[in-house]
Amino acid sequence: NAGVTQTPKFRILKIGQSMTLQCAQDMNHNYMYWYRQDPGMGLKLIYYSVGAGITDKGEVPNGYNVSRSTTEDFPLRLELAAPSQTSVYFCASSSLTGGETQYFGPGTRLTVL
Amino acid sequence: QQPVQSPQAVILREGEDAVINCSSSKALYSVHWYRQKHGEAPIFLMILLKGGEQKGHDKISASFNEKKQQSSLYLTASQLSYSGTYFCGTVGSGNTGKLIFGQGTTLQVKP
Repeated sequence: NAGVTQTPKFRILKIGQSMTLQCAQDMNHNYMYWYRQDPGMGLKLIYYSVGAGITDKGEVPNGYNVSRSTTEDFPLRLELAAPSQTSVYFCASSSLTGGETQYFGPGTRLTVL
Repeated sequence: QQPVQSPQAVILREGEDAVINCSSSKALYSVHWYRQKHGEAPIFLMILLKGGEQKGHDKISASFNEKKQQSSLYLTASQLSYSGTYFCGTVGSGNTGKLIFGQGTTLQVKP
């Protein structure tokens, strides 16, 4: 049982490049989340999903896109990378919303130069 | 809206107690508490639900005042391993799934 996995662990992008951050969970959780954490700051919710095919915006969705075609996977897409997107990105999942633990992946450290 | 945590930072000696507070301006369904060590992912500590149910760590206690939309995390007889940043997260009363985190409280426990 791997829990929540994220790839890559580190990435450096140039301004304007695109990339997809991968997130997968093997706990059969319906709910999945993407957060970003800037240095010394708290976690900001980017997007979340309540099941395959259903996604919704969080606090800071601009500049990102998501899709959820399967229960296991929840990729995050950056279309035109900007320096303001330099951050650590965490994916999380939970079995239910609101009243259950969110399990976090190890994070992806992204730098945009 | 982001919940507000206080204090922003705490320095303790081993064995001392600490209280971290979390306050929201909105009615809440649940309050979540996580601890994060530098360079690591947040780790779950506790969930407090509307109605009084609690789920979490045996050695950590917390309270949730639904009427005031406030929660407090109690760390007693602190150990060096308690050092880290503590975050509260809140889910609004509509329970839409959005967990919004506070800005964090940094706790340092010294020998």
